[in-house]
Amino acid sequence: DTGVSQNPRHKITKRGQNVTFRCDPISEHNRLYWYRQTLGQGPEFLTYFQNEAQLEKSRLLSDRFSAERPKGSFSTLEIQRTEQGDSAMYLCASSSSLRAGAKDYGYTFGSGTRLTVV
Amino acid sequence: GEDVEQSLFLSVREGDSSVINCTYTDSSSTYLYWYKQEPGAGLQLLTYIFSNMDMKQDQRLTVLLNKKDKHLSLRIADTQTGDSAIYFCADYNTDKLIFGTGTRLQVFP
Repeated sequence: DTGVSQNPRHKITKRGQNVTFRCDPISEHNRLYWYRQTLGQGPEFLTYFQNEAQLEKSRLLSDRFSAERPKGSFSTLEIQRTEQGDSAMYLCASSSSLRAGAKDYGYTFGSGTRLTVV
Repeated sequence: GEDVEQSLFLSVREGDSSVINCTYTDSSSTYLYWYKQEPGAGLQLLTYIFSNMDMKQDQRLTVLLNKKDKHLSLRIADTQTGDSAIYFCADYNTDKLIFGTGTRLQVFP
């Protein structure tokens, strides 16, 4: 297993365009998380899935944002009608809820997708 | 909501010890974590501590937890230039991690 993979690494888009990011988690992890990180800040929680079910969405996730994990494996995060304020690093992480233990609750992060809206 | 706070910067000389501090508000925390982020990279899990522990040592890393004051610290012994990075503490709360703002550690020769 090569860890958590995110694509693309970088995305530059014009304001008003739609963008979609993909995350491939560690295969045996049943939980998948999306975070957003802006410069000088820590990661902010956006949403998470357990298998294919989206269990929680942050109020940061406006109606322009949607995330899916259709088969409980990879996930996509789509932003519609992008705004300059959406420029950030979007981080995906996975973990397992199936084994009790602090290390397993800790996430494995991907390298992120850096979005720049011009 | 839950909040996790850290000081923004720390500068140390190579070979000295670094101590990075964190405070949190969640009184029901079960696990607390430390992550490291190098430029352009994702976050790397460094270590963690269970809330019923006061201290945990892992090679050069020592984690201290004062649950009464909701204060967490990470001590890095014999700090090296390769330790220069941003360090985040995180509180495991309702099935997700809440991160602090990060402490940028700069190590100079």
